[in-house]
This record gives sequence, structure tokens and C-alpha cells, in this order.
Amino acid sequence: QQPVQSPQAVILREGEDAVINCSSSKALYSVHWYRQKHGEAPVFLMILLKGGEQKGHEKISASFNEKKQQSSLYLTASQLSYSGTYFCGTEGQGAQKLVFGQGTRLTINP
Amino acid sequence: DAMVIQNPRYQVTQFGKPVTLSCSQTLNHNVMYWYQQKSSQAPKLLFHYYDKDFNNEADTPDNFQSRRPNTSFCFLDIRSPGLGDAAMYLCATSRGKSFVQYFGPGTRLTVL
Repeated sequence: QQPVQSPQAVILREGEDAVINCSSSKALYSVHWYRQKHGEAPVFLMILLKGGEQKGHEKISASFNEKKQQSSLYLTASQLSYSGTYFCGTEGQGAQKLVFGQGTRLTINP
Repeated sequence: DAMVIQNPRYQVTQFGKPVTLSCSQTLNHNVMYWYQQKSSQAPKLLFHYYDKDFNNEADTPDNFQSRRPNTSFCFLDIRSPGLGDAAMYLCATSRGKSFVQYFGPGTRLTVL
């Protein structure tokens, strides 16, 4: 079953923060986050494994609450290069595949 | 550089005319995936190979077939393309469960 992302779209000014949420109705083993720019392939951002971990690099971080089957992606002090569509991909117990959410379109304006 | 390569990048075919898309990888990954992505939608998994084991998604139409002759190459065959099959087709590879999926640049298929 497809995870649900919110919001569907966000418009920010450069330097503002954003949070993108991903929620599943099924028990999850891991959550993957990808960013896709228009006409390009998705690019990996990070993986979070069950255990309630939080990861981050530079100004992009994420958390995974396995009890709630939710993950959130945090973008701090956004840059123009952060624009694109963000997808979470969820991996269920015993699965070898990802099911992607519908995406969140992020627009950063100068 | 190790990478995932897809050919061609753009493919135009006629309604009902078979078409084959190719994917190759230099990462030596066990798993290869084929996704279909339509405009403003999420990538949708069609099937994947774990080594030689083929795994088809329940809702993948019979019109779509795949071959993996060796570790490096994987092909997507669309036997009789319809207008609804126009999409971006993405190939991805991974070392296995819970590992990063690396995507190729995609092949944009147009059906006339």
C-alpha cells in the first residue's frame, strides 16, 4: 500500500525551513528518501532503518518512528538547489522492494 | 565511474509495435528494478530481479516482460505498446534489501 506524504506541495523563500512527512498503514522495516528534479532520475538522500533512528547530513535530516510508521524529512535553511519533488519509499517487513509515496513538490524562491 | 546506464534515452514507437529498453550497470549489484513513472506521479515498480530470481508485481500488465541475461544487463520488453504506456521508464540497482537504490537516467517512451 502506498505511503501518504504531506504536504503535497510547499513554496518557500530561500533560507526558510520545511518538513515533509511520510506515513504508512503497514509495519515498516525502512524508509528511503529521494529527491527528483524535473526530467531527471530520483537521487538518493538517506535511508532510515527500524529502531527509531534519526539521520542527517548538512542541512537535511530525517527521523523514523517505527511505532507510528511515520518518517519526516527536515530541510533547514533551504537553498535554491533543494527545489524538486521529494519521495519517500517504504520497505515492509520481508520485502525487497520500495513503495513510493505520491511525492511532495518543493519550490524554493529567491 | 560505476553507474547505471539506460539506452536509449528517448524512444518513439508506434501503437502496437514492440519495443525493448535496456539497462546496464557497472556496480555489480544483485538486484535490478524496473519502474514506470508517469507525469507528476511516483515511480511504480513493474518487476525486479534478485540475481536470477524474477519477481513480478501483481498489477504489472502481461504486455510487459523482462530479461536479465547476466548480472550487468536487464531488458524491458513491451510487446504491444498502447498510448497509456507512454511514460518514463527507470531502471535501478541495489545490493539488496534495505540498501540504496541507484537510478539510471531513464528512458522516455512516446507512443504514437
